[in-house]
Amino acid sequence: DVKVTQSSRYLVKRTGEKVFLECVQDMDHENMFWYRQDPGLGLRLIYFSYDVKMKEKGDIPEGYSVSREKKERFSLILESASTNQTSMYLCASSLWGTGYGYTFGSGTRLTVV
Amino acid sequence: AQTVTQSQPEMSVQEAETVTLSCTYDTSESDYYLFWYKQPPSRQMILVIRQEAYKQQNATENRFSVNFQKAAKSFSLKISDSQLGDAAMYFCAYRRTSNTDKLIFGTGTRLQVFP
Repeated sequence: DVKVTQSSRYLVKRTGEKVFLECVQDMDHENMFWYRQDPGLGLRLIYFSYDVKMKEKGDIPEGYSVSREKKERFSLILESASTNQTSMYLCASSLWGTGYGYTFGSGTRLTVV
Repeated sequence: AQTVTQSQPEMSVQEAETVTLSCTYDTSESDYYLFWYKQPPSRQMILVIRQEAYKQQNATENRFSVNFQKAAKSFSLKISDSQLGDAAMYFCAYRRTSNTDKLIFGTGTRLQVFP
């Protein structure tokens, strides 16, 4: 069964900590994405990558960075976590081109205290 | 910029009845894709249905069908014979046909199903 795996389902971090959210897919997909989900705001794109070592800013990249050293892994980094980054984070992947939908991970609920 | 609007934050339906979730979008493109995703309490986003804008025929997947009105930029989801397992958040999403383009989501509709 193909899947996108996010390393943590729940995470609690302190303000100012550096936080790594890991995402791994086993479908050989070129494109990978990080979204943030908040009530009433839907899903908002933070960063995406369409190739190894490539990255593109999404709609809300401030306070975040990403790393894609291998095709199957896409990491989201919060350099200095803040309470307004408390949210649900969803990773997704898709095939290059076409109109295929995305395959999503099951999300990481991050709480920054 | 493209936008997707879901004007119904919450909807409810009786089991076995039919419900329609609304979605409108704004784009200047002529070719694109539209999607409905379901997010149950497990949080796993599941693709429900997909529509290609150049196809006039409305997509159907079992009990799920869409009413795609390209000129009106409307893309509603109809769920027939609703089941308790249909209770979830439903997100409408848009994507251009560019290879590197991204999904743009609406704010979601929470569907409750009553026995």
